[in-house]
Amino acid sequence: KAGVTQTPRYLIKTRGQQVTLSCSPISGHRSVSWYQQTPGQGLQFLFEYFSETQRNKGNFPGRFSGRQFSNSRSEMNVSTLELGDSALYLCASSPTRTGPQETQYFGPGTRLLVL
Amino acid sequence: GNSVTQMEGPVTLSEEAFLTINCTYTATGYPSLFWYVQYPGEGLQLLLKATKADDKGSNKGFEATYRKETTSFHLEKGSVQVSDSAVYFCALSPTQGGSEKLVFGKGTKLTVNP
Repeated sequence: KAGVTQTPRYLIKTRGQQVTLSCSPISGHRSVSWYQQTPGQGLQFLFEYFSETQRNKGNFPGRFSGRQFSNSRSEMNVSTLELGDSALYLCASSPTRTGPQETQYFGPGTRLLVL
Repeated sequence: GNSVTQMEGPVTLSEEAFLTINCTYTATGYPSLFWYVQYPGEGLQLLLKATKADDKGSNKGFEATYRKETTSFHLEKGSVQVSDSAVYFCALSPTQGGSEKLVFGKGTKLTVNP
C-alpha cells in the first residue's frame, strides 16, 4: 500500500505570497492532520480534517487554512507568507477517528522556504 | 494543558552502546504514548506505541514502558547501530483537554559512531 504522499517536496516563496500544499493519505484513510516543524518551535499541530470537515485546530493564525476533498486528499493554504512560515510541513493520515490510540502515518513533508 | 518533555541532546554514542532517551509527559486522563523517528530528509516514522499504563511498546530492538506513576515513557535500546542515527520524538495523543491530535517533545538527535 502506498504511503502518505505530499507535493511539492520543496518550495521557495517570497514574503506576502500565498502557497498551497497537497497531501494524499494512505488509501482508505479518512483522517488527515497537518503539522508544522521548525527548529525553534519543534512539531506543532495545525489542524485535522475528517470527512471533509475540520475537526480540530491548533493555535495558528487564520492565514493558515485547509480543506479536505471527498477522496480524503487534503490541501493546506498559507496566505500572506511571513519569514517565520519557513518550515517543514508534515501531513499525517489515520484510518478513522477512533481515539487517542490510533496511529498516525506521516508523509515526507514539504519544505517551504520564505525569502 | 498537555505537554511532553524529553532530553534534547544531542546524544552521541559508540556502536553497541546502551541507549536511553528520557521522556515525561503532562496530561489529563489516559493518553496514548508514541515514539516516532525521523531520518535525515524524511518524515516521521512510528517506532513504537503504548496505549495504557504498564504497556510495553517494542520494535527493532527499541522498547519503552508506559509508567503512569512517574508519567514517563523512556526509550531504550540495548545495543545501538550506526543506522539508528536519527532524531527521536516522544509524543502523546490526549484523551482529554486541548485540541491537538498529537503533542510532541522537542526531539532528541542521536548520532551513533562506528
